[in-house]
Amino acid sequence: GAGVSQSPSNKVTEKGKDVELRCDPISGHTALYWYRQSLGQGLEFLIYFQGNSAPDKSGLPSDRFSAERTGGSVSTLTIQRTQQEDSAVYLCASRQPPGTSGRRSYNEQFFGPGTRLTVL
Amino acid sequence: GQQVMQIPQYQHVQEGEDFTTYCNSSTTLSNIQWYKQRPGGHPVFLIQLVKSGEVKKQKRLTFQFGEAKKNSSLHITATQTTDVGTYFCAVMTTDSWGKFQFGAGTQVVVTP
Repeated sequence: GAGVSQSPSNKVTEKGKDVELRCDPISGHTALYWYRQSLGQGLEFLIYFQGNSAPDKSGLPSDRFSAERTGGSVSTLTIQRTQQEDSAVYLCASRQPPGTSGRRSYNEQFFGPGTRLTVL
Repeated sequence: GQQVMQIPQYQHVQEGEDFTTYCNSSTTLSNIQWYKQRPGGHPVFLIQLVKSGEVKKQKRLTFQFGEAKKNSSLHITATQTTDVGTYFCAVMTTDSWGKFQFGAGTQVVVTP
């Protein structure tokens, strides 16, 4: 596809269950981001991948959250033992490699449609 | 730590009026991006600013980066109902390579 895709689009789960959220970035985009957006709020940074490595995991709220990326493409965000406060829209974004014009040039982030997670 | 503030949080505008939303950082920025999120949608990139004092225009939208690279503004002239949505700034500091921090956003409501 031409854009970033995420699955599932909606996920309803019971408190204490584990969930996996998937992100398929745009082909060739080396950087991949996960954000969380609660109702009416801004975007909360969770984790960032450059290739398969995660230089910055500082935004993960707790050790119940983990993410991985394989083959420099698909990424999975896993939430273990979900809590009601985990309910939110989880957004994934991807970005082209930085420019090579001699100075840093960070291109736009392309967002997926998000996964709406509801923990009952 | 890094603080990003957007003001106002909420903007109610009459169609045809102008308004400005601001993004302020506590530290010097490497660059700043602006995004628009329509109700029920996902953020869509508008612009990126890199240079001190930079000004960029997109039709009725004017974006400015402060001389000290700590703040930015988005000015919309002759507001239309299509401008409804939440406008976010996303900042990258010189010591957070690759990572963007989003402001809380300015939610814009337009009255016909």
